[in-house]
Amino acid sequence: AQRVTQPEKLLSVFKGAPVELKCNYSYSGSPELFWYVQYSRQRLQLLLRHISRESIKGFTADLNKGETSFHLKKPFAQEEDSAMYYCALTPGAGSYQLTFGKGTKLSVIP
Amino acid sequence: EAGVAQSPRYKIIEKRQSVAFWCNPISGHATLYWYQQILGQGPKLLIQFQNNGVVDDSQLPKDRFSAERLKGVDSTLKIQPAKLEDSAVYLCASSLAFSYEQYFGPGTRLTVT
Repeated sequence: AQRVTQPEKLLSVFKGAPVELKCNYSYSGSPELFWYVQYSRQRLQLLLRHISRESIKGFTADLNKGETSFHLKKPFAQEEDSAMYYCALTPGAGSYQLTFGKGTKLSVIP
Repeated sequence: EAGVAQSPRYKIIEKRQSVAFWCNPISGHATLYWYQQILGQGPKLLIQFQNNGVVDDSQLPKDRFSAERLKGVDSTLKIQPAKLEDSAVYLCASSLAFSYEQYFGPGTRLTVT
């Protein structure tokens, strides 16, 4: 069975500081990895997907298969980045069901 | 485009009562998911529909939970009878067929007293 671990429940950084939200996963196959974000009083929404290799709102995430990690990074945090961030995976190979981590609340201090 | 709609947004019931949640997915989205999110946890998949057929309901507590998606559009999730541990936010999500991107509704917050 797959598992997603986000070790930090809360991460506080100052505006302009670098941000790294950690995500580790366990799955024997080749999963698809995602980051979802939920801003205050908004819906859960997709932030980025590893296979697209895009930078969304300045965030990037690299899949490290050796370390089974998919950390989310941003070089300079903005106040509007404050939100709840969830790492998630699907088994891939035609399966689209998401397994989520418990989430990390990012608080950017002005 | 209109997003995923859910109702009600909030519901308070006593244990052993029944409750139903409704979801209207984005038009044209063949796949629909129900998740349960307990406070402090990430969403947990309960059931996945493809059109009006069930793809996976392995994590649905079938002794008390049921879900249907008649006509392959709207869906309802029912709990009967409710337990205290069912207190959670119930999220509905939809996606195009064979797509990894899921669009979430606002959720229904259920409190069982």
